[in-house]
Amino acid sequence: DQQVKQNSPSLSVQEGRISILNCDYTNSMFDYFLWYKKYPAEGPTFLISISSIKDKNEDGRFTVFLNKSAKHLSLHIVPSQPGDSAVYFCAASATSGTYKYIFGTGTRLKVLA
Amino acid sequence: GAGVSQSPRYKVTKRGQDVTLRCDPISSHATLYWYQQALGQGPEFLTYFNYEAQPDKSGLPSDRFSAERPEGSISTLTIQRTEQRDSAMYRCASSSHLTSGGAGTQYFGPGTRLTVL
Repeated sequence: DQQVKQNSPSLSVQEGRISILNCDYTNSMFDYFLWYKKYPAEGPTFLISISSIKDKNEDGRFTVFLNKSAKHLSLHIVPSQPGDSAVYFCAASATSGTYKYIFGTGTRLKVLA
Repeated sequence: GAGVSQSPRYKVTKRGQDVTLRCDPISSHATLYWYQQALGQGPEFLTYFNYEAQPDKSGLPSDRFSAERPEGSISTLTIQRTEQRDSAMYRCASSSHLTSGGAGTQYFGPGTRLTVL
């Protein structure tokens, strides 16, 4: 039972264009979400988070949008750069429960120069 | 320390042997997580510690898996009587505090790749 789903295993985008990575979740108790970026042979690194009290959070080129009614979040990267090429994981937690995170399976983003 | 470190980075063992993996979190971090990550998958939660307390170990796959953090800093994950299906990347992460908005930013270590022959 995959509570957090990233249905696109891979995505290719031209440099300078927008990258949109999607994530769906099934557990309505989830109220805190994060995006992680992972380069080969390294651990995931935190990118951006959003709480369910917001529907948008922005940090430089990265914006996360949350649609609670659709149980959907997305990460927008504008403009995309070759250095953004990595695997991106979304993760969710229910702060009313224990503080464990459920991760999606990841989307491999390739930004083409 | 400067970041989360894990040792060993690679471990090859024979089926039936016990293995112990070590995680050294960022020194000021109260919370420590263990994850198992199969190839092509996201990290799967195993257990976490808040200082030395272990509030949630619901992700441990069986009683062959156990984790400790006796002094609230370094943690070990032990797998007894290893099986081939235990082969995976084992990742540790730490965060500075538990907040009302979530568990805080988790900083991941490089992982230990375990291969059970």
